[in-house]
Amino acid sequence: GAGVSQSPSNKVTEKGKDVELRCDPISGHTALYWYRQSLGQGLEFLIYFQGNSAPDKSGLPSDRFSAERTGGSVSTLTIQRTQQEDSAVYLCASSSEDRTQYFGPGTRLLVL
Amino acid sequence: QKEVEQDPGPLSVPEGAIVSLNCTYSNSAFQYFMWYRQYSRKGPELLMYTYSSGNKEDGRFTAQVDKSSKYISLFIRDSQPSDSATYLCAMKPRINRLAFGKGNQVVVIP
Repeated sequence: GAGVSQSPSNKVTEKGKDVELRCDPISGHTALYWYRQSLGQGLEFLIYFQGNSAPDKSGLPSDRFSAERTGGSVSTLTIQRTQQEDSAVYLCASSSEDRTQYFGPGTRLLVL
Repeated sequence: QKEVEQDPGPLSVPEGAIVSLNCTYSNSAFQYFMWYRQYSRKGPELLMYTYSSGNKEDGRFTAQVDKSSKYISLFIRDSQPSDSATYLCAMKPRINRLAFGKGNQVVVIP
């Protein structure tokens, strides 16, 4: 079946604007994760959704970052008042009970 | 100290050589250990997945875990140019998020 999809694949925005990044997980996967990959920094955990449980937001770097998961499927990561240091690749992953996380291709965000 | 340490230095090897990559970690709660491969401008893809100390082989790839030393390794035998990618170690406790190393960029020269 289809893998994890993300949109847009690339996003260029101006400092101070809000952006929304979308993730479509693999159908049937109950867990969804957002990570950020910055040059030379590796992957940084942002937020984790599991079923109907309250999300683990412990990785969000500031209150400008938020995420929703509607209907246990699609997720949107929102960054408000973007800053240049928000420029990175934002990766989404999903997993089923076997805990293997499958990643999407990422959204490359550039804040000018 | 970061939870997962992976020397991010690039690695260039001739085709056919053995590639050796490793990571160390500090969190004793980590139970599951993974290696991901990431091609340029793509998302990471799972390469190897282990949950116990010892070796696990899959074709030309061997993953090794030493929980007593908090050390994991990935070996690639008979390396091919198509193995050129960034390799990321990752690990997690029983549930929840992955902690990643910074990744090693590997270049296999024909």
